[in-house]
Amino acid sequence: QQKVQQSPESLSVPEGGMASLNCTSSDRNFQYFWWYRQHSGEGPKALMSIFSDGDKKEGRFTAHLNKASLHVSLHIRDSQPSDSALYFCAAQNNNRIFFGDGTQLVVKP
Amino acid sequence: EAAVTQSPRNKVTVTGGNVTLSCRQTNSHNYMYWYRQDTGHGLRLIHYSYGAGNLQIGDVPDGYKATRTTQEDFFLLLELASPSQTSLYFCASSEPGAYAEQFFGPGTRLTVL
Repeated sequence: QQKVQQSPESLSVPEGGMASLNCTSSDRNFQYFWWYRQHSGEGPKALMSIFSDGDKKEGRFTAHLNKASLHVSLHIRDSQPSDSALYFCAAQNNNRIFFGDGTQLVVKP
Repeated sequence: EAAVTQSPRNKVTVTGGNVTLSCRQTNSHNYMYWYRQDTGHGLRLIHYSYGAGNLQIGDVPDGYKATRTTQEDFFLLLELASPSQTSLYFCASSEPGAYAEQFFGPGTRLTVL
C-alpha cells in the first residue's frame, strides 16, 4: 500500500487563480511533511515543510496539516505561469522519506 | 547553496549492458539517495547511504547495486541492464534527522534498448 497518496493527478488553473493540492498519508508515525516542486527538466526542490497542525504561509503558498486525518494540502494563491510544475507531497520519519506520485499543475495565461 | 551533480545526464545502452551512474555532493551531507522517477509512480527509492562504505536497501532495489566510496561520491550500478530500467534517475543528499530537506541533482535519463 502506498504510504502517501496525492490528488488530483493533474490540475489546470487560470493565471491569478487559486490552486489546491491534496495529500493523505497512511502512517501515523510520520513526523514531518514536505511539498517539493519539480520544473520540467530539473530535479525536485523543496518548497516548504510543515509539522504542526494548522496553516503555514510562505508568500503565495499556504500549507495546511491535519494530523488527526493525516491530511496535508497546499494552496497557491494568485497562481503564475511559472508555478506550472509537478508537485510532490512527501512524508518523513527519521531518515526515510516517502513521496506521493505527484500533481501536475498547469497555470494558463 | 547545496550542490548535487550527476553524470552522465543522458545514457543509452543495450539490454545486458553495464551502466554506472555517478553522483557527487559538495554539501558535506551524511546521507545520499538514489531514486528512479517514472510516470505514474513518482519518486521511488532504490538505495541510500549514511556514509562512506555504508549501503541501505530502498524500496525498489532489484537489479541495482550501489556503492558509496567517499562522503561526496555515490554510484549506482546496473550490471545487466534491462528495458524495465529505462527511467529518469535522481540522486539526492541530506543531513541526518527526520526534518532534513533533501537536495536533488539534475537527473540522468537512462534508456535501455
